[in-house]
Amino acid sequence: QLQLQESGPGLVKPSETLSLTCTVSNGSISSSSYYWGWIRQPPGRGLEWIGSVNYGGSTYYNPSLKSRVTISVDTSRNQFSLKVNSVAAADTAVYYCAREAVAVADWFDYWGQGTLVTVSS
Amino acid sequence: DIQMTQSPSSLSASIGDRVTITCRASQSISSYLNWYQLKPGKAPKLLIYVASNLQSGVPSRFSGSGSGTDFTLTISSLQPEDFATYYCQQTFSGLSFGGGTKVEI
Repeated sequence: QLQLQESGPGLVKPSETLSLTCTVSNGSISSSSYYWGWIRQPPGRGLEWIGSVNYGGSTYYNPSLKSRVTISVDTSRNQFSLKVNSVAAADTAVYYCAREAVAVADWFDYWGQGTLVTVSS
Repeated sequence: DIQMTQSPSSLSASIGDRVTITCRASQSISSYLNWYQLKPGKAPKLLIYVASNLQSGVPSRFSGSGSGTDFTLTISSLQPEDFATYYCQQTFSGLSFGGGTKVEI
């Protein structure tokens, strides 16, 4: 069964860059049928899609976050990564990585367990 | 931007109850609507995709319906493991989620 695991610092200072990596196991990241996405959930709030990348490096982002976000892929390591610049307290959230099946429609069919990132000095 | 509104935001139910959760889009999204289940500390789970398609491995007590702007997720007979928060998601234009519905005992 496909597994995804988020990793990265749990604490980031305001104005710095948040960096997370998602490692995909029991499956290849190099498939044209899928994108690989990041979603976050601030404490006590709902889900927010951040953006997605495919194995070739094509990306699309939530317009509200696009100016601060970069998502990249490393097929040799079966990983994809998220960077959020100039973070503030509002970026404190549980961050999830997920596989996005893309066909006529799309959906996230496999998710990681999530990792809490706190923005605080 | 397409706004997704779920109702209710929370509900109390008992084992065996029939539960219905509603999701309304701010404009027509055809059938580009998915449903997810979230539990604390666990990986979120896809339940329904494209409005009414049951994801493999998901119990048949879960069902989805609707098109256009109005959608429902129904749990026909609530089980102990179904107490969770449920989110709808539209993928018609960008990707956005509803505010969630917490199902409590």
